[in-house]
Amino acid sequence: DIQMTQSPSTLSASVGDSVTITCRASQSINTWLAWYQQTPGKAPKVLIYKASSLESGVPSRFSGSGSGTEFTLTISSLQPDDFATYYCQQYNSFPLTFGLGTKLEIK
Amino acid sequence: EVQMVESGGGLVKPGGSLRLSCEASGFIFSRYTMNWVRQAPGKGLEWVSSISSGGSDMNYADSVKGRFTISRDNAKNSLVLQMSSLRAEDTAVYYCARGITYYDLLTSRPLDCVFDQWGQGTLVTVSS
Repeated sequence: DIQMTQSPSTLSASVGDSVTITCRASQSINTWLAWYQQTPGKAPKVLIYKASSLESGVPSRFSGSGSGTEFTLTISSLQPDDFATYYCQQYNSFPLTFGLGTKLEIK
Repeated sequence: EVQMVESGGGLVKPGGSLRLSCEASGFIFSRYTMNWVRQAPGKGLEWVSSISSGGSDMNYADSVKGRFTISRDNAKNSLVLQMSSLRAEDTAVYYCARGITYYDLLTSRPLDCVFDQWGQGTLVTVSS
């Protein structure tokens, strides 16, 4: 199974800041990586797929990069709605696996 | 509007069974891989099972293999997860999620999948 390791687990930032979340795969997954945002009590929402492709309707302040085993999600100019938990997910092979999540908190 | 509505959750005793359903609308259900993803209280996301668009290929997480069965009825736009031999660690919100399959352009290998639409979830609690 491919393990996905996210860091940090918690991140504190202010409105207007830029932040970066890292996701590492235990083996190469090419660019078969997605990022999701989840707010409390709601279902997750996909932000990025194929490591760097922005899902339709997602603001351009979200960007993804990486390939192989190391990936990043960057959120520039944080908005109040961005304070949420973020998950990476690999779809290179079954079983599909998620990172443990990064909780982005308001400083 | 794409919509998926889960039902069937509830309280069940360890060792018991439960059948979850997901009714889909607003898209051509038969064209998509469908999935179940769960989230234990206060924890992260865990993929549970996937079924191909035609229903011929199923995959399961090791944690549920042999106990859970995924199925679909494309004529009724419905997805089902039959759960048996339930354990306390199966307690979670279960989400129905639509999957987008991508293809590696070099090898034509299908990559299942990105979860692009989700239901609101149904809570399953396994407790005596």
